[in-house]
Amino acid sequence: GAGVSQTPSNKVTEKGKYVELRCDPISGHTALYWYRQSLGQGPEFLIYFQGTGAADDSGLPNDRFFAVRPEGSVSTLKIQRTERGDSAVYLCASSSLAGDGELFFGEGSRLTVL
Amino acid sequence: AQRVTQPEKLLSVFKGAPVELKCNYSYSGSPELFWYVQYSRQRLQLLLRHISRESIKGFTADLNKGETSFHLKKPFAQEEDSAMYYCPLRGRDDKIIFGKGTRLHILP
Repeated sequence: GAGVSQTPSNKVTEKGKYVELRCDPISGHTALYWYRQSLGQGPEFLIYFQGTGAADDSGLPNDRFFAVRPEGSVSTLKIQRTERGDSAVYLCASSSLAGDGELFFGEGSRLTVL
Repeated sequence: AQRVTQPEKLLSVFKGAPVELKCNYSYSGSPELFWYVQYSRQRLQLLLRHISRESIKGFTADLNKGETSFHLKKPFAQEEDSAMYYCPLRGRDDKIIFGKGTRLHILP
């Protein structure tokens, strides 16, 4: 497709379970960003990739959160031992940083931890 | 450290009145600043960027390095401007952080 795709769009899980959220960026975009957005808040930076490597993961809240981008395209955000406080919309955006740096966002994955 | 502050959580303006959405930043180098907008049930999208000095949908924003601000302005508000507005900052390392956003509500 032409835009950034995120799956699943909605995920309901129980406390303590493991969750994976997937992001399929725009083809050719080398940079990929993950954000978390809680109700009434702005997007909170989690991590960003330049190619396959994490250029900055300073926003990951703790070691339960991990993200990969093994082939420099699709990325997966992994959350272990989920907690109720992890409930939020997880946004992914991609960018061709060689250009003007515009971020193209997906529609987000809404995670609810019961 | 980079930081963006959008002091107004909600701004209500009458149709036809001027709009100013405030954005202040903190960054030790020369930042790139943007405005993004999210209309109801749509994804976040770029509105404008400071380096291009463009006007989009009647909105303009000027980077004021002395006041470390990048306020968004429009002389005459329209009902379709109702949305959430965010002012992200991109640092030297390409890390892009967002403020908390301002909800603009245009009153008829």
